[in-house]
Amino acid sequence: DVKVTQSSRYLVKRTGEKVFLECVQDMDHENMFWYRQDPGLGLRLIYFSYDVKMKEKGDIPEGYSVSREKKERFSLILESASTNQTSMYLCASSSPDGSPRGYTFGSGTRLTVV
Amino acid sequence: QKEVEQNSGPLSVPEGAIASLNCTYSDRGSQSFFWYRQYSGKSPELIMFIYSNGDKEDGRFTAQLNKASQYVSLLIRDSQPSDSATYLCAVKEGSARQLTFGSGTQLTVLP
Repeated sequence: DVKVTQSSRYLVKRTGEKVFLECVQDMDHENMFWYRQDPGLGLRLIYFSYDVKMKEKGDIPEGYSVSREKKERFSLILESASTNQTSMYLCASSSPDGSPRGYTFGSGTRLTVV
Repeated sequence: QKEVEQNSGPLSVPEGAIASLNCTYSDRGSQSFFWYRQYSGKSPELIMFIYSNGDKEDGRFTAQLNKASQYVSLLIRDSQPSDSATYLCAVKEGSARQLTFGSGTQLTVLP
């Protein structure tokens, strides 16, 4: 069964800390995405990547950066965590042809910044 | 900015009834349309997708698309308590890699 694995289910970090959220997929997908989900706001795209070392800003990139050194791994970085970054973070991957069945989500990381 | 609008609900229907979920989108270049179901505390899972105007049926689910009106809907027939979840509408522009999501509609099916 295809999988997108997020390294942590729950995280609690302090304001100002550097935070790494890791995502690994085993489907050899070119495209990987980071979304955050907040009540009433749905899923908002932070960054995505369509190839190793390639990245594109989504709708809300401020305060975040990403790294994709290997095809299977896409990391989201909060350089200096703030309380307004408390959220559920969802990683997803998809095949390059955009097949809807290839858009697979990880189980999410609930991040709390205190 | 591309927008996908959904009535946030909550929408409550009795068991066995038809639940109707609606979604409008702003980008006329949108080509693909998706419905995801998300149970509380879980990640979204794809239940339907539609590309062409008209209806597409899959079991108890029917997706309806009207590109002229920029409107897509999901009908759930014979609703069950297990259908209680948040339903997310998502759209993709033809050449885009990413999906744009609505804020979701919370559906409760009452036994």
